[in-house]
Amino acid sequence: DAGITQSPRHKVTETGTPVTLRCHQTENHRYMYWYRQDPGHGLRLIHYSYGVKDTDKGEVSDGYSVSRSKTEDFLLTLESATSSQTSVYFCAISGDREGEQFFGPGTRLTVL
Amino acid sequence: SQQGEEDPQALSIQEGENATMNCSYKTSINNLQWYRQNSGRGLVHLILIRSNEREKHSGRLRVTLDTSKKSSSLLITASRAADTASYFCATDQPSNTGKLIFGQGTTLQVKP
Repeated sequence: DAGITQSPRHKVTETGTPVTLRCHQTENHRYMYWYRQDPGHGLRLIHYSYGVKDTDKGEVSDGYSVSRSKTEDFLLTLESATSSQTSVYFCAISGDREGEQFFGPGTRLTVL
Repeated sequence: SQQGEEDPQALSIQEGENATMNCSYKTSINNLQWYRQNSGRGLVHLILIRSNEREKHSGRLRVTLDTSKKSSSLLITASRAADTASYFCATDQPSNTGKLIFGQGTTLQVKP
């Protein structure tokens, strides 16, 4: 987990409220990713970024938006949280588009 | 769309025994990666094998790749209780470079 942090680590919120999760890295890596992990589905890519202000959709992007205004920060926003977005969210970073990814400790989000 | 599927879903062995996990995938790949996840933690990269490689070693880990069968295996030799974790394969595809597709994982329990 060294070099990559996520905040908050735990969050409980209500349906319909906006939620922003933050991923912060100190490795100056170009690529950053947001995944969600659910039982029976493994990890699924939500969005990723290949540079400041450059982002693209992943496999399960509906209901999520991202922003990257600085190399070190990648924000994931749920504009209006739903119960189906209850999950564990992981941020990952990579210095090489085809290389290994380094994962943060995760954020457990519960939407009531 | 799950690219990788691990087999078995769960594995329980005694300390000192070898553990073998298999991963099958559906489309061509740039590389295949194996990750470990301890309970409640983020994923940790173990090993990356490229499509033109057949076998790779790292300490007690041995990974094989058979692109004709679209399958890979992870062998952990002389297992230890500390190897208890979930293991995931992930594929990087030429059509979606950088967007890893994860399998659902194999849960390994090593009994002391």
